Amino acid sequence: DAGITQSPRHKVTETGTPVTLRCHQTENHRYMYWYRQDPGHGLRLIHYSYGVKDTDKGEVSDGYSVSRSKTEDFLLTLESATSSQTSVYFCAISEVQGLSYEQYFGPGTRLTVT
Amino acid sequence: RKEVEQDPGPFNVPEGATVAFNCTYSNSASQSFFWYRQDCRKEPKLLMSVYSSGNEDGRFTAQLNRASQYISLLIRDSKLSDSATYLCVVNLVPYNQGGKLIFGQGTELSVKP
Repeated sequence: DAGITQSPRHKVTETGTPVTLRCHQTENHRYMYWYRQDPGHGLRLIHYSYGVKDTDKGEVSDGYSVSRSKTEDFLLTLESATSSQTSVYFCAISEVQGLSYEQYFGPGTRLTVT
Repeated sequence: RKEVEQDPGPFNVPEGATVAFNCTYSNSASQSFFWYRQDCRKEPKLLMSVYSSGNEDGRFTAQLNRASQYISLLIRDSKLSDSATYLCVVNLVPYNQGGKLIFGQGTELSVKP
């Protein structure tokens, strides 16, 4: 258990409304990530963070913004949700174990944009 | 061409069978390699890292061939509880520079009694 929680776990929202998803971790990991998972695409990186206030874009960042004001929280915001953003969103943290790198995922948020 | 390609599924096997999953990756600079398991409607969970020398964890054996850019996962003596989707994953950056993981689409395994 990597101590990652996500909230909300399920959300239905209307097109054009803002939505914020929260990822919370309890183990002081430096790196945090947001992914989306869609049928036919696998998991794709949206944004990631390498420290407080340090973030960068991933493969599918258009329409999303992130913030990290505390080590433990990484927020993903959809400024104006669209139906194409209906997806399952996973947060992840990474750990370095000796010379190896491992990434662990939160339980996911299922978002439906109607 | 997808950066990480896996066998299309689903694989339907009887209990006790041996099943092999294959994966190829396109970026020769890929640094590290993993197999994740994902149960229906759940998060991906790390099954094992894959090392150049090959590694084994109980019934699971992973192999890496950097020259061919090929990764495999062998499951022996399949159990009903092995039913899941198996994701092949590569990391494009060195271990101490965070991670840029590229995921395959996954191969679904269904183990039947």
